[in-house]
Amino acid sequence: GAVVSQHPSRVICKSGTSVKIECRSLDFQATTMFWYRQFPKQSLMLMATSNEGSKATYEQGVEKDKFLINHASLTLSTLTVTSAHPEDSSFYICSARDLKTGSGNTIYFGEGSWLTVV
Amino acid sequence: RKEVEQDPGPFNVPEGATVAFNCTYSNSASQSFFWYRQDCRKEPKLLMSVYSSGNEDGRFTAQLNRASQYISLLIRDSKLSDSATYLCVVNGAGTYKYIFGTGTRLKVLA
Repeated sequence: GAVVSQHPSRVICKSGTSVKIECRSLDFQATTMFWYRQFPKQSLMLMATSNEGSKATYEQGVEKDKFLINHASLTLSTLTVTSAHPEDSSFYICSARDLKTGSGNTIYFGEGSWLTVV
Repeated sequence: RKEVEQDPGPFNVPEGATVAFNCTYSNSASQSFFWYRQDCRKEPKLLMSVYSSGNEDGRFTAQLNRASQYISLLIRDSKLSDSATYLCVVNGAGTYKYIFGTGTRLKVLA
């Protein structure tokens, strides 16, 4: 199946600093990627939809100035958590949809990034 | 009402048992349905898509009931390795947004 790579897998940062997480589709082009956040024992919550070459679409309650999304190419989307605070500590995961004919509507996930803000 | 609802469990079953999970969704216009499996502290992995006619993959059977707006997952002959959280995923109608249920935790006991 399609492969989505996410980096870094784990990151610890100081409160007030910014952290960038990368999401790459390795063997397919993804005009749309999705960013989720998952707190312990909770479901994945969609934060935003990343569109190649245009602005991301954020879900209600997600601060676009705090969670900066850039989707500069068909294989790369980045999420930057700006001025991170301890409450931003979470599992961040991206996904992408393979638009190739016959792939259906299946989405593929990156390995996720564990962010700890201290 | 949540868009996608699941019983969080946990479901504790002995090896070899048959276990079934249901998932209800609120948007009758939803078009695509999936079951994903998530192991602790890992990313979700696609288990199977759910088709209108129902589909089977080995020990796993998925069914869709559009009239009652639910999907189900049946696991036969449970293995220890089936222990995980099973996520119901529904594609929001007319969009590429995928809505996740909270997941149902399964523990298969030796």
